[in-house]
Amino acid sequence: DQQVKQNSPSLSVQEGRISILNCDYTNSMFDYFLWYKKYPAEGPTFLISISSIKDKNEDGRFTVFLNKSAKHLSLHIVPSQPGDSAVYFCAARRFGNEKLTFGTGTRLTIIP
Amino acid sequence: DARVTQTPRHKVTEMGQEVTMRCQPILGHNTVFWYRQTMMQGLELLAYFRNRAPLDDSGMPKDRFSAEMPDATLATLKIQPSEPRDSAVYFCASGSGQGFYGYTFGSGTRLTVV
Repeated sequence: DQQVKQNSPSLSVQEGRISILNCDYTNSMFDYFLWYKKYPAEGPTFLISISSIKDKNEDGRFTVFLNKSAKHLSLHIVPSQPGDSAVYFCAARRFGNEKLTFGTGTRLTIIP
Repeated sequence: DARVTQTPRHKVTEMGQEVTMRCQPILGHNTVFWYRQTMMQGLELLAYFRNRAPLDDSGMPKDRFSAEMPDATLATLKIQPSEPRDSAVYFCASGSGQGFYGYTFGSGTRLTVV
């Protein structure tokens, strides 16, 4: 039972354009969402997060949007840079629970 | 630069052998997680500890996997006996509080069981 889904295994975007990565979840008890970035042969690194009381959170070139009614979140990267090429994981957590449930990841390739 | 250290980085073993993976969490972090990365499931939670006490190991095959924290500086994940389907990358992560800034992952142990 995949409670966090990333339906696009891969995405290619031209350098300088916007990258949009999507994530859907099924568990309405999730109240905190995170994005992680992973380079080959390294562990995932935390990128940005959002609480369910918000619908948007920005950090530099990265913005996460949350649509609770649709159980959908997205990560926007503007402008995309070659160093953004990596696998991006969406993760979710229930209130009061430290466990993170991850999606299967989306491989983003930025084309120079 | 605080980091989570995992050893070994790579392990190739024969089916039926015991495998032990080790993790040194960041000093002061009181929550430790073991995740497994597979192509089909992404990152699956195997077990986690808070203040060295196991809180949830429901993601682990109980008959062959075991996880322990002998002390605050060491977490171990053992597989006995190992099987080819255990081949994956195993990550350890540590954190403190509710992880509002995410947890810190190690670089992983790539396990291949032949």
